[in-house]
Amino acid sequence: AQSVTQLDSHVSVSEGTPVLLRCNYSSSYSPSLFWYVQHPNKGLQLLLKYTSAATLVKGINGFEAEFKKSETSFHLTKPSAHMSDAAEYFCVVSSRGFQKLVFGTGTRLLVSP
Amino acid sequence: DTAVSQTPKYLVTQMGNDKSIKCEQNLGHDTMYWYKQDSKKFLKIMFSYNNKELIINETVPNRFSPKSPDKAHLNLHINSLELGDSAVYFCASSQDPAGSRNEQFFGPGTRLTVL
Repeated sequence: AQSVTQLDSHVSVSEGTPVLLRCNYSSSYSPSLFWYVQHPNKGLQLLLKYTSAATLVKGINGFEAEFKKSETSFHLTKPSAHMSDAAEYFCVVSSRGFQKLVFGTGTRLLVSP
Repeated sequence: DTAVSQTPKYLVTQMGNDKSIKCEQNLGHDTMYWYKQDSKKFLKIMFSYNNKELIINETVPNRFSPKSPDKAHLNLHINSLELGDSAVYFCASSQDPAGSRNEQFFGPGTRLTVL
């Protein structure tokens, strides 16, 4: 079965400093991986996705993630945090065949001035 | 134009009642989903429909019954509501269910509180 582990429940950064949200996955085949963001009281929005093309994936709002098969990781990064980045971030792996998304437990990103 | 919409946004009800949540997508997608997000923000799929046909049915009590009158709508009906049903329910849609590469678009969620 596929699963993802988000290693930090909370991450706090200052505005203008780099962001690193960590995610490790487990899959018996080459997975598709996603990062979704959920702002307070909002639905989920796709930030980026990896589907076996380039291992470095660029997403919206300056976020990117690198697929590392040897480390089974798909960490999300951003060079410089903005106040509007404060939200809950979910790392997601999808199942083979019918598209069933398996969500991580989420990482809350806090950005201070 | 809202891509995936849900009504109501908030729903407060008593234990034992029956309630419905409606979902509509105007993206022309073939596949729709219901997810449940618990108080710890954990999201889990409940159901998936493709062209009005049920394709995923996770281990969900049969008090929950999805209904898809057409491929743009997927409603969730819940009978005999229990305290543990309190959660945020998200509807989503995607282009098709095959493969693992299609983005799912999520609605804004319905916060259900059972008293």
